[in-house]
Amino acid sequence: GAVVSQHPSWVICKSGTSVKIECRSLDFQATTMFWYRQFPKQSLMLMATSNEGSKATYEQGVEKDKFLINHASLTLSTLTVTSAHPEDSSFYICSARIGYGQETQYFGPGTRLLVL
Amino acid sequence: AQKITQTQPGMFVQEKEAVTLDCTYDTSDQSYGLFWYKQPSSGEMIFLIYQGSYDEQNATEGRYSLNFQKARKSANLVISASQLGDSAMYFCAMREGLGGYNKLIFGAGTRLAVHP
Repeated sequence: GAVVSQHPSWVICKSGTSVKIECRSLDFQATTMFWYRQFPKQSLMLMATSNEGSKATYEQGVEKDKFLINHASLTLSTLTVTSAHPEDSSFYICSARIGYGQETQYFGPGTRLLVL
Repeated sequence: AQKITQTQPGMFVQEKEAVTLDCTYDTSDQSYGLFWYKQPSSGEMIFLIYQGSYDEQNATEGRYSLNFQKARKSANLVISASQLGDSAMYFCAMREGLGGYNKLIFGAGTRLAVHP
């Protein structure tokens, strides 16, 4: 149980294009989903927290207009990197929590983004 | 500010031996949670073990145990009978915040290499 999927697993795009990454909880309803960014050989940095049906809460320093997050349902959250640039190249990983007050976050397999 | 410290960038262990990965934390909260995640080279984050601040007994999950020393603010992960497949990055994390809006703060990670 508690399986989270991400799509795509790899994406290569040209600078200036937008990229959408999907995060799905497959066997549970996720009231809260999280989006992280990880640079090579570094730890995970939380970008934003999204609760179903409400606006995402972004961490300090994360551009809301650059990284659009939509948590449309209890099983799907999307991250759109708008007008991507090479510095946006990174590993993006989402996680989901089963319910309010639940402790454990279950992570997706991640998406590697390369912007040329 | 809360933070997680993992002082061992890398660790080596012989197969079948036990290894301890260190983690110290800093918080002024009375209620908090501590987690360990494993990240293989594929990038996925695998949940290993959880310890609540009010739990009196150390958490155990199979070959994983968490040595929780509240007064010292440490939450070391002990892996018994290491296997080659244990080679990966290991992240300690702490839950920050309460209720439905809590989030995880990650340490820098420790890379474990298991030798045959």
